[in-house]
Amino acid sequence: GESVGLHLPTLSVQEGDNSIINCAYSNSASDYFIWYKQESGKGPQFIIDIRSNMDKRQGQRVTVLLNKTVKHLSLQIAATQPGDSAVYFCAEKGNKLVFGAGTILRVKS
Amino acid sequence: DTEVTQTPKHLVMGMTNKKSLKCEQHMGHRAMYWYKQKAKKPPELMFVYSYEKLSINESVPSRFSPECPNSSLLNLHLHALQPEDSALYLCASSQEGLARYQETQYFGPGTRLLVL
Repeated sequence: GESVGLHLPTLSVQEGDNSIINCAYSNSASDYFIWYKQESGKGPQFIIDIRSNMDKRQGQRVTVLLNKTVKHLSLQIAATQPGDSAVYFCAEKGNKLVFGAGTILRVKS
Repeated sequence: DTEVTQTPKHLVMGMTNKKSLKCEQHMGHRAMYWYKQKAKKPPELMFVYSYEKLSINESVPSRFSPECPNSSLLNLHLHALQPEDSALYLCASSQEGLARYQETQYFGPGTRLLVL
């Protein structure tokens, strides 16, 4: 399930299930979007990007969907593994890169 | 190789100390960045260097002083910091750093700073 409160939103999924992490961005002038994964004690790690002239892009086990009409971005992770546990940030770029609030993904074995 | 290195990994300093954070990349990138990240928050942009020139300063207090000796190196000089400056300081690099340029930023592991 997903919870929002004083802490970062958390998504808990069972190992092997698919995960969907959502992000609402704010600047309609942003034309480039990136998903980053940040594990504890590490810097953000690039996962996948998408340009505003696309609405879907697929990588290895990951898919990013972009809906410019409602300014929404999502990251789908197929067959989620324990190693996917981390904080996931979407980031939008216009003149500079601006990060969203982040979502904690917890994978239960 | 998409590696950005940062030293030190951890730093504890008093409010009267002067210290420096260092960042290095060997990807041939011409843009380098400093971000500040507080616990459970997203990274926030502090400075951008593009072609060794400071292009963005996000109204950062003067107790933080960036320096870009060459396109591979980026320093952040710290002086008279406050306890609220304690955070993870992240360095990143990208190919050009030009406004509205659609390019990926690659991040280092960060320096965890504690100001006492």
